[in-house]
Amino acid sequence: EAGVTQFPSHSVIEKGQTVTLRCDPISGHDNLYWYRRVMGKEIKFLLHFVKESKQDESGMPNNRFLAERTGGTYSTLKVQPAELEDSGVYFCASSFGGSSYEQYFGPGTRLTVT
Amino acid sequence: AQSVTQPDIHITVSEGASLELRCNYSYGATPYLFWYVQSPGQGLQLLLKYFSGDTLVQGIKGFEAEFKRSQSSFNLRKPSVHWSDAAEYFCAVGAGTGGFKTIFGAGTRLFVKA
Repeated sequence: EAGVTQFPSHSVIEKGQTVTLRCDPISGHDNLYWYRRVMGKEIKFLLHFVKESKQDESGMPNNRFLAERTGGTYSTLKVQPAELEDSGVYFCASSFGGSSYEQYFGPGTRLTVT
Repeated sequence: AQSVTQPDIHITVSEGASLELRCNYSYGATPYLFWYVQSPGQGLQLLLKYFSGDTLVQGIKGFEAEFKRSQSSFNLRKPSVHWSDAAEYFCAVGAGTGGFKTIFGAGTRLFVKA
């Protein structure tokens, strides 16, 4: 069974540019999550999708971040325009159904904004 | 507010020695508790979880953790550390509605010396 995949693994962009991160969850997982770890600090929750609907987006830092989940399958996280403080590792995770709390994490996308 | 504290930023142990990583949480209700490990270049892997029942939980790779409500702790232990255990370890609590919003500690990096 394929795990959670994320693309790209690394991205280096300049301040003011736009970047789109992609996450493909494990097939059949209705729940999809985005997390971020900035500069060696805690991993912070960003948002939670149930299928294509945003269940909880309380962790999204500001309106420069836009997450979508087309058809309840893969998800994208767009940062526009990127700022220096957006640098970090963005993790995606998925879980099955409403009764399982076991989240499976992808390897992360390392974003560097220069 | 919910929070997770891992007081040790890094720990060094000798191969074959026992290990205990500390974790304290702050959460109003019965917590869902997790330990994750991240090896270099890898995503987070779930070591073990506690939802209810027996307060001593067994996980993968020979790890165990004990939930102590009176101390708000969920320490991770392993009787004999292997060099391959060198990684970063994260304690986490499932928060929010349904426990889907995972709150992580800052992580403890484990170094294993020969």
